[in-house]
Amino acid sequence: SAVISQKPSRDICQRGTSLTIQCQVDSQVTMMFWYRQQPGQSLTLIATANQGSEATYESGFVIDKFPISRPNLTFSTLTVSNMSPEDSSIYLCSASGALNTEAFFGQGTRLTVV
Amino acid sequence: SQQGEEDPQALSIQEGENATMNCSYKTSINNLQWYRQNSGRGLVHLILIRSNEREKHSGRLRVTLDTSKKSSSLLITASRAADTASYFCASQGGKLIFGQGTELSVKP
Repeated sequence: SAVISQKPSRDICQRGTSLTIQCQVDSQVTMMFWYRQQPGQSLTLIATANQGSEATYESGFVIDKFPISRPNLTFSTLTVSNMSPEDSSIYLCSASGALNTEAFFGQGTRLTVV
Repeated sequence: SQQGEEDPQALSIQEGENATMNCSYKTSINNLQWYRQNSGRGLVHLILIRSNEREKHSGRLRVTLDTSKKSSSLLITASRAADTASYFCASQGGKLIFGQGTELSVKP
């Protein structure tokens, strides 16, 4: 199993600013992902964080809005850029040790944009 | 839309009763997983069933998978108040795609 530490756990931000969320895994993992969960909704995959290369984004998500870094096998960041109130959500980091295995999740970052 | 579908969206039962949640997905899969989420926090993995399996048990959990119908069900037997949470299925064919979720309330 893997333990995922995500920070900040919550933040209230002004519109037009950016927030970077950090995700640290306690062991080397193959796959890391970022999800968004809007209030009362399910999880939507934003992107797969690839080590040492550009992230793979899902339809509807772009690098300019959600730049992602993954410099090594245990750490990734997600930035929410030029925020608007519509970006208010929970953002979750996920990791798995291998393809097609169970995923582990951080506790999430609850973001409110005012 | 990424999401698969789950039903019911909400389920309220008494302690000791069984709870059944159903999930449908859209694409071919390698496995299907079920997760639990308490109060909008991180998800906890419950069980994984591979595409070549039809049924799997773990404690009070029983999961079935019907790949011909692209559907799965989660049964929680002898429910407890502590089982109150949101339950999500997630289909995996590479990426993990989540269903809409079922909000389960177990009343003492």
